[in-house]
Amino acid sequence: GAGVSQSPSNKVTEKGKDVELRCDPISGHTALYWYRQSLGQGLEFLIYFQGNSAPDKSGLPSDRFSAERTGGSVSTLTIQRTQQEDSAVYLCASSPMATFLAKNIQYFGAGTRLSVL
Amino acid sequence: TQLLEQSPQFLSIQEGENLTVYCNSSSVFSSLQWYRQEPGEGPVLLVTVVTGGEVKKLKRLTFQFGDARKDSSLHITAAQPGDTGLYLCAVNSNSGYALNFGKGTSLLVTP
Repeated sequence: GAGVSQSPSNKVTEKGKDVELRCDPISGHTALYWYRQSLGQGLEFLIYFQGNSAPDKSGLPSDRFSAERTGGSVSTLTIQRTQQEDSAVYLCASSPMATFLAKNIQYFGAGTRLSVL
Repeated sequence: TQLLEQSPQFLSIQEGENLTVYCNSSSVFSSLQWYRQEPGEGPVLLVTVVTGGEVKKLKRLTFQFGDARKDSSLHITAAQPGDTGLYLCAVNSNSGYALNFGKGTSLLVTP
C-alpha cells in the first residue's frame, strides 16, 4: 500500500500473555520509528531503526519490550508478559531516512490499540 | 518534566470562531513541527518551522515560531468541523532523530 500499515488494528489480551505488533513501512523508507500513545502520557518514543539496526532504544520502558526489523522493511514490536499499564495505542512511523527535524518527515500508521485485561 | 507544554489541553468552539493554541518550552530548538491527529488515525505533519520569528500559513492555519525559538503558536481562522482533532507539536529528541511530542490540544469544532 501507499502508506504505513499496522496490524492488528486492535488487540485484546490477558495480563501475562505475550503480544506481537507488526508495522509495514512505506516502501523504500529506511528509517522506522515506534511510539506509544496513552491518555496520561501522550505520545512517547520507544525505538527507531535505521535499516535493520536500532541506534536508539532509549524509549523502551522495560526489558519486556523488544523490537526487530528484517530486510530493512517490516518491523515487529514484541511485549512479553503484558501488564495492564501496557494498554495504549502503539504507533509506527517511517521516513525516507533518519535525519534531523528540518528535513525529517515521519509518516505514521493508524496504530494498534492494545488492551490488556 | 514535559519538554513541550501545550495549552489549552481541550478546546470546544463553534464553527466560524477563531482560536489559538500554544506550544511552550524553556529549551531552544533548531526547528519545530506541528501535527494533527484525527480519531483512529496517526498524526499527520502540518508544518515545520525553522527560523525564529517565522510565520507560515496553510489555508486558514497560521503557524508562528517564537523569536527565541522556544515556543510556537497555531492560529485557526474561521474554524470548520473538519478542523476537529488533536494538535501536537514536536521537536527532535535529545538522543537523535526520534520525535518528542507535547501532550497536545484536543480541538472540537461544532456546526
